Amino acid sequence: AQSVAQPEDQVNVAEGNPLTVKCTYSVSGNPYLFWYVQYPNRGLQFLLKYITGDNLVKGSYGFEAEFNKSQTSFHLKKPSALVSDSALYFCAVTLNGYNKLIFGAGTRLAVHP
Amino acid sequence: DSGVTQTPKHLITATGQRVTLRCSPRSGDLSVYWYQQSLDQGLQFLIQYYNGEERAKGNILERFSAQQFPDLHSELNLSSLELGDSALYFCASSVEDLYQETQYFGPGTRLLVL
Repeated sequence: AQSVAQPEDQVNVAEGNPLTVKCTYSVSGNPYLFWYVQYPNRGLQFLLKYITGDNLVKGSYGFEAEFNKSQTSFHLKKPSALVSDSALYFCAVTLNGYNKLIFGAGTRLAVHP
Repeated sequence: DSGVTQTPKHLITATGQRVTLRCSPRSGDLSVYWYQQSLDQGLQFLIQYYNGEERAKGNILERFSAQQFPDLHSELNLSSLELGDSALYFCASSVEDLYQETQYFGPGTRLLVL
């Protein structure tokens, strides 16, 4: 079965430090990978996606993610965290023939001043 | 603001009742998706419509149904409600029916079944 894992329930980072939110996937076929962010009482906002091409994808608000096929990972990164980045982050995957997004459980990012 | 609108924002009802959630996709988007977010199940895909036709089904209960109208708005009908149906229901839309397309999410409808 296709699945996405986010191994950390919560990530704590000091403001100004780099952050990484981890995501690994298990699919049969070529994955298309997405990151979304959810702020309290808000819907999911699209951050970035990997479809094909360059393994390093740049997205909104200074976020980027690196697709690693050998490690089946798609970790979200940002060079310098802001307190306003504190939110719930979801990794998701779709496949050819599966238009639905399969989501990970989510990782809560807490950026401390 | 994604351009996807959902009404109502909050809904409180009793077990056994029926409710209708409404979604208006972004202008120009033909595909509408419904997802359920709950504490125990996480974010799960329910159903997808494309230009009025059902395109894919996920973990949607038989008590739930949906449709997409000619003006492309969609409604999710939940009947014989149970306590476990309490959740945040999201609608998302995309331009076409392609797996690599970005789905843009609405703000959600929070359903509480008492």
